[in-house]
Amino acid sequence: GAGVSQSPSNKVTEKGKDVELRCDPISGHTALYWYRQRLGQGLEFLIYFQGNSAPDKSGLPSDRFSAERTGESVSTLTIQRTQQEDSAVYLCASRTGHGDTIYFGEGSWLTVV
Amino acid sequence: GQQVMQIPQYQHVQEGEDFTTYCNSSTTLSNIQWYKQRPGGHPVFLIQLVKSGEVKKQKRLTFQFGEAKKNSSLHITATQTTDVGTYFCAAGQEGNFNKFYFGSGTKLNVKP
Repeated sequence: GAGVSQSPSNKVTEKGKDVELRCDPISGHTALYWYRQRLGQGLEFLIYFQGNSAPDKSGLPSDRFSAERTGESVSTLTIQRTQQEDSAVYLCASRTGHGDTIYFGEGSWLTVV
Repeated sequence: GQQVMQIPQYQHVQEGEDFTTYCNSSTTLSNIQWYKQRPGGHPVFLIQLVKSGEVKKQKRLTFQFGEAKKNSSLHITATQTTDVGTYFCAAGQEGNFNKFYFGSGTKLNVKP
């Protein structure tokens, strides 16, 4: 597609439920990032995929968080047993392997009630 | 993770005044990027700086990377109401060009 696409755009879930957030990067972009942004805060690095290399998962806050990426396309961020502190915007971004411009999606707004 | 300090947290200016935001790291950076995020929007990439002492300009915006590659600044000359938003720096780790840690952002408000 023309840009980074994320779904759902908004999700309200009950505490304890699992959620899946999807990111469809720009075609041909080998690098894909997930960030979390709490209301009024900065962006918190979660995970980074680069081509077929092992992902850098160092930013995942707990073992309730996991992410996968199929080849160089779609990525899914899964949050298990959601907690209220997981409420935030989850932003996906992609870039080419050697380019310098990073493109962000519109984000998935997650609210845990 | 790597600490990147960004100041000020907020800045209110009169239209036409200049604005500067600063990012500082205790460690040497491989590169630094700047983003703008409008209220309710997503971050939009502005620029990437890689070289020590690098200066880049985009119209009224001037970006600098320090000689020691530990700090950076974004300066806006003669602000306009369209400049309103939050400006973030994102620092690339030394040895890992592609992994970025974001500063906390500077929220700019421009009064007409």
